[in-house]
Amino acid sequence: RKEVEQDPGPFNVPEGATVAFNCTYSNSASQSFFWYRQDCRKEPKLLMSVYSSGNEDGRFTAQLNRASQYISLLIRDSKLSDSATYLCVVPNSGGYQKVTFGTGTKLQVIP
Amino acid sequence: DTAVSQTPKYLVTQMGNDKSIKCEQNLGHDTMYWYKQDSKKFLKIMFSYNNKELIINETVPNRFSPKSPDKAHLNLHINSLELGDSAVYFCASSQVFDYTDTQYFGPGTRLTVL
Repeated sequence: RKEVEQDPGPFNVPEGATVAFNCTYSNSASQSFFWYRQDCRKEPKLLMSVYSSGNEDGRFTAQLNRASQYISLLIRDSKLSDSATYLCVVPNSGGYQKVTFGTGTKLQVIP
Repeated sequence: DTAVSQTPKYLVTQMGNDKSIKCEQNLGHDTMYWYKQDSKKFLKIMFSYNNKELIINETVPNRFSPKSPDKAHLNLHINSLELGDSAVYFCASSQVFDYTDTQYFGPGTRLTVL
């Protein structure tokens, strides 16, 4: 299994829809995870952290499934402004204090 | 007020040239990073500095030489540029050297090698 793997998409969804992405990871010892958002031709920005108990911030919910080694991001009531690439970030298994970024899942919200 | 800034934003140059990219953060963070994002959007760490000290040096060709004159600055010098160096280079910083800490990215430098 790759260190981190994401479906590249694109996920094309209508405004108002609910959409979910998964991200699988290989390092079973990982404790903390993150979702970053990257708009086209812009820098990545932290969207939310993912705790073992899950995390919710408005329309966004992140969950961790440790048994199956994946994290998920759920977006409710999609807005046009949610269109972006969502990067999953997991701790690196190499022993360094560093993280590995996934290649991202592209979301396009359609009017 | 820009938190993490990079210059230049765009860089177009010929193969074989030497170029530098500069990065500055005004967040008072201890740790700074250089990442490379290639055409497939894969964001890969190159270097990490903590309090001006090199901590992470991935398997990057030694044509790439980072330099941190102080905690607020991390520059990247690239010698003998090759076509494969074309990518977007992002600088980032975090408060401390801990993977759980939020990383703040600069706007990126889009390097094109002809």
